Amino acid sequence: QSVLTQSPSASATPGQRVTISCSGGSSNVGSHYVYWYQHLPGTAPKVLIFGPNQRPSGVPDRFSGSKSGTSASLAISGLRSEDEADYYCAAWDDSLRVWVFGGGTKVTVL
Amino acid sequence: QVQLIQSASELKKPGASVKVSCKASGYSFSRYAMNWVRQAPGQGFEWMGRITTNDGDPTYAQGFTGRFVFSLDTSVGTAYLQINNLQPEDTALYYCAREMRVSAPADYYYYMDVWGTGTPVTVSS
Repeated sequence: QSVLTQSPSASATPGQRVTISCSGGSSNVGSHYVYWYQHLPGTAPKVLIFGPNQRPSGVPDRFSGSKSGTSASLAISGLRSEDEADYYCAAWDDSLRVWVFGGGTKVTVL
Repeated sequence: QVQLIQSASELKKPGASVKVSCKASGYSFSRYAMNWVRQAPGQGFEWMGRITTNDGDPTYAQGFTGRFVFSLDTSVGTAYLQINNLQPEDTALYYCAREMRVSAPADYYYYMDVWGTGTPVTVSS
């Protein structure tokens, strides 16, 4: 059971927008930045959003992060076939003194 | 470019030990701590802990004390995860991940910015 809660799947057609949610608590999402990772099995997870909703160079601005209280979201606009992957949220947890992750959301491009 | 190259898959019997390596390239190894993350089959990521690469000081998450050992060989820019007395429930993918620290005006944070591709460890009799 993951500390952060994500819906297991999301789907949309190419060009559409998909939003992935990440729900936590006051000791993690409510207190710290939320990080988003894209993961294709067999590859290295790739950070999409870090710190105050920043994107690393090379990550297109189709990816954006937001947070309100103890919930965070990753939005992917202009969905493309190469966006089909698993997406994970992560945050530091002050109470557990560990990094906590969501269970992952599998995005399917229809 | 910055890369973390992990060792190949391992198949071990219960009670054995395994040592997973993570070789850094493209950056100064001793400037960034290294984290270890586990992903059991069909499960999400679980943070195991970290080791500072300037002095080799390890921090283990609860549940990863005793049988798990983080170590370094700074001469070859490599971090290691050793698991002793392997159990079937240790079957998982093990990732290393570099820790990036950001210090900005009125802000300070850190996160895992570059990950390895993972080392599969299978424990079976």
